[in-house]
Amino acid sequence: DSGVTQTPKHLITATGQRVTLRCSPRSGDLSVYWYQQSLDQGLQFLIQYYNGEERAKGNILERFSAQQFPDLHSELNLSSLELGDSALYFCASSVEQVGSYNEQFFGPGTRLTVL
Amino acid sequence: GDSVTQMEGPVTLSEEAFLTINCTYTATGYPSLFWYVQYPGEGLQLLLKATKADDKGSNKGFEATYRKETTSFHLEKGSVQVSDSAVYFCALNTNAGKSTFGDGTTLTVKP
Repeated sequence: DSGVTQTPKHLITATGQRVTLRCSPRSGDLSVYWYQQSLDQGLQFLIQYYNGEERAKGNILERFSAQQFPDLHSELNLSSLELGDSALYFCASSVEQVGSYNEQFFGPGTRLTVL
Repeated sequence: GDSVTQMEGPVTLSEEAFLTINCTYTATGYPSLFWYVQYPGEGLQLLLKATKADDKGSNKGFEATYRKETTSFHLEKGSVQVSDSAVYFCALNTNAGKSTFGDGTTLTVKP
């Protein structure tokens, strides 16, 4: 158990809909990362937040947005869903922002299926 | 931009065979390098890391050495077990906090 929790575990929805994925980082971790893992594109870094502020952005679509709240939990919002958005979405956390040596602790993931 | 290139899989080995999974990277500055492992149905977990050139990371019999001159961080294990069957990801972190992962290499170890 990494200490990172994600809800829900599974989510099934229809095209055009909007969903929210939630992540609670390990106690004491200030950084939260979001990743998308699909069969054809591997593990893609989406976005990172540090202590409530956006810190780094990866291959995140404009239809997706995220935020980190004062209690440090984070939410990833996916809107106007398409079939191709079906994937595993992972959240990870780490202690700090600065310093490249920080390992990330991954949650168990949310499996999103868009029908 | 930053990138990580891993040996393509899948890799199938017999128990007690020697394992090498190649990883090379491109990055500005001096990144830290990581190997993560993902067992079926689970999230990724750190296997080992190295934060500067010539560092060797090791864990559970796995090793990898940070080679700046060849920009490589190859994963090795002398004798694999069935329980090592998983997907292995090479990754780098930059000082800016951005993480880049390789595509993952699936390892299957047969008894």
